[in-house]
Amino acid sequence: GENVEQHPSTLSVQEGDSAVIKCTYSDSASNYFPWYKQELGKRPQLIIDIRSNVGEKKDQRIAVTLNKTAKHFSLHITETQPEDSAVYFCAASMGGTSYGKLTFGQGTILTVHP
Amino acid sequence: DADVTQTPRNRITKTGKRIMLECSQTKGHDRMYWYRQDPGLGLRLIYYSFDVKDINKGEISDGYSVSRQAQAKFSLSLESAIPNQTALYFCATSDSSVSGANVLTFGAGSRLTVL
Repeated sequence: GENVEQHPSTLSVQEGDSAVIKCTYSDSASNYFPWYKQELGKRPQLIIDIRSNVGEKKDQRIAVTLNKTAKHFSLHITETQPEDSAVYFCAASMGGTSYGKLTFGQGTILTVHP
Repeated sequence: DADVTQTPRNRITKTGKRIMLECSQTKGHDRMYWYRQDPGLGLRLIYYSFDVKDINKGEISDGYSVSRQAQAKFSLSLESAIPNQTALYFCATSDSSVSGANVLTFGAGSRLTVL
């Protein structure tokens, strides 16, 4: 089955700096790559996603890039703010009958210091 | 988000006890999932159901069972709880459209402690 590795496990930055979280996946059939944010004590929520026919997607201060050849994708957060502090999970999924079955990475604890 | 409701939110139990975690949703989604969250391990899929008559094992189904009582209800049971089942459990839903099937809406979580 699919395996998703996520790095780093913890990331500490100063407010205003950029943060990058990287994930690799094992199954070349995966074609959907979402990122979820989980604030302390809260449920995970989708913040951005990318499909395999797109190399990059941006939404305000966050962006995701995908390299299908290397089977890795990354989350980029620019101008970080204290409210960006959370656990971030990447995930991968295949299409067809596997729609909805997400394999998650181990998570990255991001701390943004004021 | 009250659309996906999990009960109980917190439960402490003893080894060997039977435990049921319940999930109900008002989103009208066909698909429902149970995930388990452990620190450093991310979210791992236990069971999933694409409709009322469909039940599938995920990557860590041993020691768990599920029941899809209705489109809106999906319960997770631990027949004989053991300490390494101590974790935060999330129910999630998604619709069955091509664009929406991968977008999960999570419940608030059920924290289970097995002593």
